Amino acid sequence: GAVVSQHPSRVICKSGTSVKIECRSLDFQATTMFWYRQFPKKSLMLMATSNEGSKATYEQGVEKDKFLINHASLTLSTLTVTSAHPEDSSFYICSAKTGLDTEAFFGQGTRLTVV
Amino acid sequence: GQNIDQPTEMTATEGAIVQINCTYQTSGFNGLFWYQQHAGEAPTFLSYNVLDGLEEKGRFSSFLSRSKGYSYLLLKELQMKDSASYLCAGMDSNYQLIWGAGTKLIIKP
Repeated sequence: GAVVSQHPSRVICKSGTSVKIECRSLDFQATTMFWYRQFPKKSLMLMATSNEGSKATYEQGVEKDKFLINHASLTLSTLTVTSAHPEDSSFYICSAKTGLDTEAFFGQGTRLTVV
Repeated sequence: GQNIDQPTEMTATEGAIVQINCTYQTSGFNGLFWYQQHAGEAPTFLSYNVLDGLEEKGRFSSFLSRSKGYSYLLLKELQMKDSASYLCAGMDSNYQLIWGAGTKLIIKP
């Protein structure tokens, strides 16, 4: 099956610093990648959709200058949380699809803690 | 608006059968997905229905009725490892997934 690798799985950073999270599709070309945020006991909240080679489409209420998304290739997308604050602490998950009507494959998720 | 409804929590006994229901309202429809998510982990794909009827995959089956905007996930021969959250997601006309809040399934011995 398709594998999506997300790195790091856990990260602790100081308030005011930036953190980059990588999402890679290992054995397929991901035309579209999604970034989600999940709070404890809550469902997934879509942050943005990114297509290779174009700017990400952000959901309403998500600050594009704070959550920088780059989808430079068909196998890699990155999410950078800039000037992180404790309220940014959350579980961030990426997913990737090969086509429009296919299932989404998820990365392992990244637990971000900002202290 | 678009909406996915599913129960917040369900409890079942090991070895039994449980049915998790999901009703959906999406702008257009391109299929209904079920995912399993263990605490602290990312979701894993279980099933995809785009036509009416029942799809069976081992102990798990998923049903869809497009006219009723309704789906269910059926889990048979429950095992303790099935304790997880089960997420229902509808795909709209833009191929975007609309997620339910998830159903936490608790399995008791």
